[in-house]
Amino acid sequence: GQQLNQSPQSMFIQEGEDVSMNCTSSSIFNTWLWYKQDPGEGPVLLIALYKAGELTSNGRLTAQFGITRKDSFLNISASIPSDVGIYFCAGQDNTNAGKSTFGDGTTLTVKP
Amino acid sequence: NAGVTQTPKFQVLKTGQSMTLQCAQDMNHNSMYWYRQDPGMGLRLIYYSASEGTTDKGEVPNGYNVSRLNKREFSLRLESAAPSQTSVYFCASGTVMNTEAFFGQGTRLTVV
Repeated sequence: GQQLNQSPQSMFIQEGEDVSMNCTSSSIFNTWLWYKQDPGEGPVLLIALYKAGELTSNGRLTAQFGITRKDSFLNISASIPSDVGIYFCAGQDNTNAGKSTFGDGTTLTVKP
Repeated sequence: NAGVTQTPKFQVLKTGQSMTLQCAQDMNHNSMYWYRQDPGMGLRLIYYSASEGTTDKGEVPNGYNVSRLNKREFSLRLESAAPSQTSVYFCASGTVMNTEAFFGQGTRLTVV
């Protein structure tokens, strides 16, 4: 089946630093999604990308859909303590009725 | 607006016991999903329902059954629980055309 490789697995950063994480796939996706999960909660969508090469921002977050359609990255600028959580990438193709394949997540810790 | 509601939030079962996890959404979504999340891993799809009256297997369906009772409700049943089914279970809903999935808060299940 489809597999996503998400890296890094975890990050420990100082408040104010920028963060970058990425996902690569063995197959092509038509949609890339980035979710954030807070402790004890379900994931919540941060950014959705629908076209190869697309660059989209949501506040301090920026994500890009790779040209090959097999990768995506998420950047967080000027991190703050509430950025702590697990970030998941997810990919969808047109054959899967809205189902997503998820990466294993990047756990972000921000030190004040 | 409650979104996606899962019950119970926590459950401990003995090996061999059965139980049903309940999920309901009030967003009039066609598609509903059940995922499991294990430590250090992303969400893996157990079953999904693209519309009322249909269900299909996901990546890890063994040991589970589902029922799409109506458009709002999608339940997950464990007929004979095993320790390997200890996990956090998330229900989600979405539309087939809109790629975002909305998640419940999860059910933390421990099988001893």
